[in-house]
Amino acid sequence: EAQVTQNPRYLITVTGKKLTVTCSQNMNHEYMSWYRQDPGLGLRQIYYSMNVEVTDKGDVPEGYKVSRKEKRNFPLILESPSPNQTSLYFCASSLRDRAVYEQFFGPGTRLTVL
Amino acid sequence: QQQVKQSPQSLIVQKGGIPIINCAYENTAFDYFPWYQQFPGKGPALLIAIRPDVSEKKEGRFTISFNKSAKQFSLHIMDSQPGDSATYFCAASTGNQFYFGTGTSLTVIP
Repeated sequence: EAQVTQNPRYLITVTGKKLTVTCSQNMNHEYMSWYRQDPGLGLRQIYYSMNVEVTDKGDVPEGYKVSRKEKRNFPLILESPSPNQTSLYFCASSLRDRAVYEQFFGPGTRLTVL
Repeated sequence: QQQVKQSPQSLIVQKGGIPIINCAYENTAFDYFPWYQQFPGKGPALLIAIRPDVSEKKEGRFTISFNKSAKQFSLHIMDSQPGDSATYFCAASTGNQFYFGTGTSLTVIP
């Protein structure tokens, strides 16, 4: 089944404790992206990657890191999480065919930083 | 600064009605305008999308109307059904970067 998977689905942590949220897709998509969703703010793009070893900042990159060492994986790293990073996080992937920008979203990771 | 402004925040219609959700943008570099549907506990899913060289696109009961000069686009849901109750997001993209609206919670009453 074609899908984007995220782990963990739920995470409660404390301020300053480094964490990684994994994202994996099995569709051989070149493009991957991370978003956070907050009430009243919609989805905001954190980072995106056009292909292996190519990453770029989205609208709200502060406090986050990413890496793209393999085509299928795009982990999101919070080196020193803070309470304002409490949010619902989505990973997405898509082909880079110019005519098609359809993004497939993962199921989400709900993060709480105490 | 919100790159894409979406309204209304919530919408309640009777079954069979035609809810309309509106979005506006400023950046003329955007060349792709998708709409996403999200059910509780799920990730967003692409519903329909349009490019600025087209004024209207229809897929099933969903229609996007696009006004390039006004920098506005809207989603119309024909013959709405209770199963359409969800949150809808518009977005605008340059191809790499995506900017989403704040979402519209739609409730279709049976």
